[in-house]
Amino acid sequence: DVKVTQSSRYLVKRTGEKVFLECVQDMDHENMFWYRQDPGLGLRLIYFSYDVKMKEKGDIPEGYSVSREKKERFSLILESASTNQTSMYLCASSSTGHNSPLHFGNGTRLTVT
Amino acid sequence: ILNVEQSPQSLHVQEGDSTNFTCSFPSSNFYALHWYRWETAKSPEALFVMTLNGDEKKKGRISATLNTKEGYSYLYIKGSQPEDSATYLCAFSDNDMRFGAGTRLTVKP
Repeated sequence: DVKVTQSSRYLVKRTGEKVFLECVQDMDHENMFWYRQDPGLGLRLIYFSYDVKMKEKGDIPEGYSVSREKKERFSLILESASTNQTSMYLCASSSTGHNSPLHFGNGTRLTVT
Repeated sequence: ILNVEQSPQSLHVQEGDSTNFTCSFPSSNFYALHWYRWETAKSPEALFVMTLNGDEKKKGRISATLNTKEGYSYLYIKGSQPEDSATYLCAFSDNDMRFGAGTRLTVKP
């Protein structure tokens, strides 16, 4: 079974802090994604990556950056956390091809105070 | 920009009822349509990936149909059970993977 592991289930940070959300997958998937989920808005794509050192902006990249130095790891970085970044963050991976399903991590509930 | 629409937003049914909900998506530049089930305190799990117009997929009591020309997919649940309670998400695949807001299903025993 594919395993996508997010480093923290719950995280509380202060406004202005730099925050790292880590995601690791163990199935040699090329594609990795970061989404945030807010009530009534569904899953919104922040960034995605189709290969090592490659990144593409999703719908809501502002205030975020990403890093993919190794194939199995995709990190989401909040350079200076703000209260409007309080949300559930989900990482996902998939193999190449549009008909490859996403495999999700358990999510990180981030609260910025 | 959310251009994948799901309806209804939420649904309450009795155990044993059959139900269905809708996913609408752009009909141009279509590659695939995905359905996921997201249970509380778990991560979303893939139900179906559909690529061809007229596709119909089935898994137990759950089935889905796809119309790429008019840009919609239906998900059907026959004889709903309390364990079917979850949020059902559809996602449209073109250059990335774009999700709808989901339909939250509650099945009352």
